[in-house]
Amino acid sequence: TQLLEQSPQFLSIQEGENLTVYCNSSSVFSSLQWYRQEPGEGPVLLVTVVTGGEVKKLKRLTFQFGDARKDSSLHITAAQPGDTGLYLCAGDGSGTYKYIFGTGTRLKVLA
Amino acid sequence: DVKVTQSSRYLVKRTGEKVFLECVQDMDHENMFWYRQDPGLGLRLIYFSYDVKMKEKGDIPEGYSVSREKKERFSLILESASTNQTSMYLCASSRQGREKLFFGSGTQLSVL
Repeated sequence: TQLLEQSPQFLSIQEGENLTVYCNSSSVFSSLQWYRQEPGEGPVLLVTVVTGGEVKKLKRLTFQFGDARKDSSLHITAAQPGDTGLYLCAGDGSGTYKYIFGTGTRLKVLA
Repeated sequence: DVKVTQSSRYLVKRTGEKVFLECVQDMDHENMFWYRQDPGLGLRLIYFSYDVKMKEKGDIPEGYSVSREKKERFSLILESASTNQTSMYLCASSRQGREKLFFGSGTQLSVL
């Protein structure tokens, strides 16, 4: 069974601080996605990474896919209250339609 | 604007009741999914469908069934609801192939 572990599970920081969220697995994924979910809503896709070592930037968010395609990280620079939410990574499992989701990191950014 | 619509935002049912959760997408997507979301466990796949009348079990199909009679509609059925099925249920759709998932807003189901 493929599993994705995220750390930390919870994070509460002040506005302006930097943070990194990790998504780790012992399995190889052909691609990995990051979603953000706000209260009362479904997750919304932020980015997809497909190549080992790939780095993608989305404004203040930087996403990296590990060289071996088993892990990924999300780095937020100068966090804003609008970044508050649940961050989920999702791996493309075994070439099927099954997306394996991580356990989630709940981020709260205080003004 | 693309949309995945779940019929109920909140639902309260009694143990043993038959429960229907409906999901409709307006994007002509081939793939549709049902997930349940529980704190600390992320999203777990219950069932998915890659075509009309086609379905495949996900990781936790026990106690659930699904129906896809039309391309735009995917229903999740709890034949006899139990308290351990209290959860947030999320429907999603995607185009054929490994595309991004579009999610509905979720149905918070409480089974008493």
